[in-house]
Amino acid sequence: KAGVTQTPRYLIKTRGQQVTLSCSPISGHRSVSWYQQTPGQGLQFLFEYFSETQRNKGNFPGRFSGRQFSNSRSEMNVSTLELGDSALYLCASSSTTGTVTDTQYFGPGTRLTVL
Amino acid sequence: AQSVTQLGSHVSVSEGALVLLRCNYSSSVPPYLFWYVQYPNQGLQLLLKYTSAATLVKGINGFEAEFKKSETSFHLTKPSAHMSDAAEYFCAVSGGGGGNKLTFGTGTQLKVEL
Repeated sequence: KAGVTQTPRYLIKTRGQQVTLSCSPISGHRSVSWYQQTPGQGLQFLFEYFSETQRNKGNFPGRFSGRQFSNSRSEMNVSTLELGDSALYLCASSSTTGTVTDTQYFGPGTRLTVL
Repeated sequence: AQSVTQLGSHVSVSEGALVLLRCNYSSSVPPYLFWYVQYPNQGLQLLLKYTSAATLVKGINGFEAEFKKSETSFHLTKPSAHMSDAAEYFCAVSGGGGGNKLTFGTGTQLKVEL
């Protein structure tokens, strides 16, 4: 099976712009989660989608949003970019049930740089 | 709230030596624990996970971890380090707030020296 894919891999934006990142989960997986990784804050959970519904949300401002499509592909959007949004954004998918014991499989990430 | 604490942000070992990376958890419910590894410019790869089936969990690349409830620990070990083990290692706990959200520790950078 193909792994989790994320596009684009690298992105450079300027402050105030908005950005959309895309994630294609492993075939058959219905749960998709997003994480932000920065040197200062480490790995932080953004949100999780399961069958097109947001099931869980981390402690991030409303500028961060996401959605999931019927084919389980997911996008996350960040509006009004700030310098502090520069990070590696990781997407992870897990199996059909999306329970606490499921393994989450991570994509390679999208490196966002905000200038 | 669930959390994990990784002691030691940097660990250095000689090739062939024992690798020990420490992780302690805090959870009000039985925890489900994971170890992931991250190589430079890559995503996270699962090494192993504990889901209460067995306290000693064997993973990939010769790694294993033992769940010790009395010590609230889930330390990662490997008997003999290899140069290719140099990477960052993350301990994580699953759950909290519904779904399968992972809460990660701050990571341990493993350096393997000749």
